[in-house]
Amino acid sequence: EPEVTQTPSHQVTQMGQEVILRCVPISNHLYFYWYRQILGQKVEFLVSFYNNEISEKSEIFDDQFSVERPDGSNFTLKIRSTKLEDSAMYFCASRTGVTMDVETQYFGPGTRLLVL
Amino acid sequence: AQTVTQSQPEMSVQEAETVTLSCTYDTSESDYYLFWYKQPPSRQMILVIRQEAYKQQNATENRFSVNFQKAAKSFSLKISDSQLGDAAMYFCAYRSGNTGFQKLVFGTGTRLLVSP
Repeated sequence: EPEVTQTPSHQVTQMGQEVILRCVPISNHLYFYWYRQILGQKVEFLVSFYNNEISEKSEIFDDQFSVERPDGSNFTLKIRSTKLEDSAMYFCASRTGVTMDVETQYFGPGTRLLVL
Repeated sequence: AQTVTQSQPEMSVQEAETVTLSCTYDTSESDYYLFWYKQPPSRQMILVIRQEAYKQQNATENRFSVNFQKAAKSFSLKISDSQLGDAAMYFCAYRSGNTGFQKLVFGTGTRLLVSP
């Protein structure tokens, strides 16, 4: 069964460093998302992406964040200068948009980011 | 803005018994989708069940069923014949039917404990 994959599974970085989190969505999906979950808290929406542009973003998704689909298969989230409060689990999700299961977002296993 | 409330931080059930997890939401929209996601200790978000607001019939998926009360804005999850593998965090989520707003809005989650 197709699934969303994410790399790395864990990332430790120093405050102020740039990190890139990678996701490979399900191959025929058209809509892509990033969410984050700070430990012990609920899952929060960051950004949605469709047709090579951001379609919606939250207040969390400030100028330090960017997303890209560089090669038609990968979907990346870049944090330019990490802060301690960026420590969280980051989930990528994708949605088909063209089949009967059009509304369901499928999640990857997450990347646990720790900023020291 | 839409909100999702899960008032039960933790629930316990014995194997083979039935348990119901509560979820209420607040919205002024008439077209929307509701989801239950399961997050086991591995922390990957797994879709359990989905309900379209325009459907009066409650969704079912094997041992999982929902009680969708649109007027009351309630969306509870019933797990029948509970199994040890059902132990996880369960998140209720809302998605607008407006195609311009694709984000999932999550509740704070309910931790389900299953005892032998």
